[in-house]
Amino acid sequence: GQQVMQIPQYQHVQEGEDFTTYCNSSTTLSNIQWYKQRPGGHPVFLIQLVKSGEVKKQKRLTFQFGEAKKNSSLHITATQTTDVGTYFCAGGRDMRFGAGTRLTVKP
Amino acid sequence: DAGITQSPRHKVTETGTPVTLRCHQTENHRYMYWYRQDPGHGLRLIHYSYGVKDTDKGEVSDGYSVSRSKTEDFLLTLESATSSQTSVYFCASTREANYGYTFGSGTRLTVV
Repeated sequence: GQQVMQIPQYQHVQEGEDFTTYCNSSTTLSNIQWYKQRPGGHPVFLIQLVKSGEVKKQKRLTFQFGEAKKNSSLHITATQTTDVGTYFCAGGRDMRFGAGTRLTVKP
Repeated sequence: DAGITQSPRHKVTETGTPVTLRCHQTENHRYMYWYRQDPGHGLRLIHYSYGVKDTDKGEVSDGYSVSRSKTEDFLLTLESATSSQTSVYFCASTREANYGYTFGSGTRLTVV
């Protein structure tokens, strides 16, 4: 069946450094969504990508969808302590979630 | 966030007992989902619903059943709770299948 893999599992950065998480699927995805979950909270929808090669930005966050629609990335520029949390990708017809990347930021 | 609430927020139950978790949304969303979240596994789909009385299984449906008698309510039942069902359960809803999901605050279930 479809698998959605996410790397790295953990990332610890100094405040101000950049951060990237990658999402890879074993099959072509019709769309991919990204969510953020703060510690002790629930996932919150960030964005959806649909088109091959699509790039979207939300302030310091840049989301990309691969040309083959099998991979995606989330890049955060100049991390802040408010970026702490776990970032999940999810995609495909049955919306499989990756295991998430847990980001910690040292002030 | 949209109006989606889960109850109870925390529950401790004994092995072998039935447990029902409730999800209630006030957004008139057609699609509703139950996920479980465990360390290292992300969110795994248990069951979902695409309309009143229309439900289907997800990837980890064994030992769970659901019911949706009204648009706003989606119930998850553990027929006979086991320790492996200790988890955090999230409900989600969306207007259309390819829209972003709105999640509830979760139910932390412990089976002892």
